[in-house]
This record gives sequence, C-alpha cells and structure tokens, in this order.
Amino acid sequence: AQSVSQHNHHVILSEAASLELGCNYSYGGTVNLFWYVQYPGQHLQLLLKYFSGDPLVKGIKGFEAEFIKSKFSFNLRKPSVQWSDTAEYFCAVIKDTDKLIFGTGTRLQVFP
Amino acid sequence: DGGITQSPKYLFRKEGQNVTLSCEQNLNHDAMYWYRQDPGQGLRLIYYSQIVNDFQKGDIAEGYSVSREKKESFPLTVTSAQKNPTAFYLCASLGAGGWDEQFFGPGTRLTVL
Repeated sequence: AQSVSQHNHHVILSEAASLELGCNYSYGGTVNLFWYVQYPGQHLQLLLKYFSGDPLVKGIKGFEAEFIKSKFSFNLRKPSVQWSDTAEYFCAVIKDTDKLIFGTGTRLQVFP
Repeated sequence: DGGITQSPKYLFRKEGQNVTLSCEQNLNHDAMYWYRQDPGQGLRLIYYSQIVNDFQKGDIAEGYSVSREKKESFPLTVTSAQKNPTAFYLCASLGAGGWDEQFFGPGTRLTVL
C-alpha cells in the first residue's frame, strides 16, 4: 500500500548531538513533501517543505531536509540539537494533489 | 487575529452517543480538513472539503460525518458507529496559496467512557 514511513518512533539525544530522522514514501510521480513539528501542548507547525528545485531544503530553527528521489526519501537533519527541539516530528506527502498524508511521527527527546 | 478555533479542548461522552466537534476559521480559506491523531499512528485523514457544500472521505471516514454549510465552519460528528472514537482530533484549513499555507487548529481531545 502507498504510504509514508517514519522508521524512528522515538529518538533520545543529548544536547549538541546531530539529528537525522528518516522519512520514506511510496507514492510515484511528482511529490510534494513536508516536515511538521508539534511541540508539547502546541499546534502543529510547518518546519519545511519541498515542491521542486534544490533538493536540499532549509527550514526554520536550523533544520534542513534532503529530497533523494531515487531513494524515495526526505530525511530531516539538524547538526546540533537543543533541549527546545524536544517535540514530535511528522513527515507528510501530498497525494492526488488534494490530500496531505502523514507519517506515524517521531518523538524526539533532547536531554541537557 | 486570524486562525482556526476548535472547541472544546477536552470532551467527554458516554459510549453510544453521537458528538459533534466544532472547527471554525476566519482565514477565508476554501479547503478544510479533519485529522485524527493516535499515538504511534500519526495523523490520519478523516474527511476534507475543498468548497462549501462539498466534502470527500479521507482514509478513515467510517463512523464519522461532516457538513460544510458555511465557508468558515466544518463540524465533525463522531457517531456511535465509530468503534474506537477516543482520540485527538485536529482540524486544518488550506489557503489560496496552496500547500504553502496550511494551518492547524489546537485540537480537541475526545474521550468516550
């Protein structure tokens, strides 16, 4: 079945460690990809998005993601995490131009 | 301030009762969406509406119903036919800027006792 997969369900890091969260999708053709973040008790917020062009996308708060078409992947990275990055992170893909399909999410905990 | 409101924040109902969750937006957005969020399952699309008086089923529409009589409102009814209704429900809207401009509401946590 077509889907969006996030294989890391729970990631625990110390501050200043580097982060990479995996996202793979199985939809064919042109895709638009997103990473959203949900801080504890807050709304879902857009971190970054890829529509076309440069496959390395810069987002807010020092996050970036790389679209690798051959691997059907859109992994999220940050060189040095902070305690304030503790949140749940969701990868999402537009399907059929009108539906945003989410992955299962990755809970990130950063310890000082 | 423009945004999406969902009320109430917490809702409790007895098993077998229908319950309606409110979603209102003052962003003048055409498209609105309902998602259900469960631990370990992410957000799953229940229903969406791209224009007033029209809506489409998402991936998990069974046991739910919606209406879109006004542009700013997209209420979701969780019926007694929904087998596992306890969840966190998120409403979203999409602006004319397309997927650049999707906003999410604060959510309603529904607990069915």
